[in-house]
Amino acid sequence: SYVLTQPPSVSLAPGQTARMTCGGNSIGSKSVHWYQQKPGQAPVLVVYDGRDRPSGIPERFSGSNSGNTATLIITRVEAGDEADYFCQVWDSTSEHVVFGGGTKLTVL
Amino acid sequence: EVLLVESGGGLVQPGGSLRLSCAASGFTFNDFEMNWVRQAPGRGLEWVSYIRGSGNTIYYADSVKGRFSISRDNAKKSLYLQMNSLRAEDTAVYYCARVWHGVAGQYDYWGQGTLVTVSS
Repeated sequence: SYVLTQPPSVSLAPGQTARMTCGGNSIGSKSVHWYQQKPGQAPVLVVYDGRDRPSGIPERFSGSNSGNTATLIITRVEAGDEADYFCQVWDSTSEHVVFGGGTKLTVL
Repeated sequence: EVLLVESGGGLVQPGGSLRLSCAASGFTFNDFEMNWVRQAPGRGLEWVSYIRGSGNTIYYADSVKGRFSISRDNAKKSLYLQMNSLRAEDTAVYYCARVWHGVAGQYDYWGQGTLVTVSS
């Protein structure tokens, strides 16, 4: 089955740039979506199709996807960005949706 | 405004059954694919099941296949998840989520979730 690998945690100071990776076999050939989830809340879509932002999501959020790694990038990190971030793809071989294990972003 | 509201969660004994519902509003329900996604306490997101707008294409995660059944009533703008033979490991918050066009599409709207607890 297809596996997405995310680092468990990322910590950085306000104002820095967060880069959270999502590794998967040839993920660059797939549509990757990213979700932000704060404690006690439902997930929120922050980036879709690898690099596009839904309306209402700040321009500080962006993404890239190539080879075996997709990356969610958050520039000028703020305390309000502290959350869990999950990547997601559709695996056509298994006909399954796959989520990564999630990365907890801590803003020091 | 798009709204998804889940209901039907609760405490159930191992081996028991439960039916979750998701009431949709603010969009043309039958035009959109829908999913169930769950999250066990303190854990990550786990996809459960997918259904096409017409209901004629359905997929399940291996962990629930043969025990859970997804369905929809487009006239009532509602999505359902029938859960049978429940196990302790099915304990989770269950979310319904709308898919933006295509099985590989993003989940652009989520409900607030309903908690299912499987315990004796």
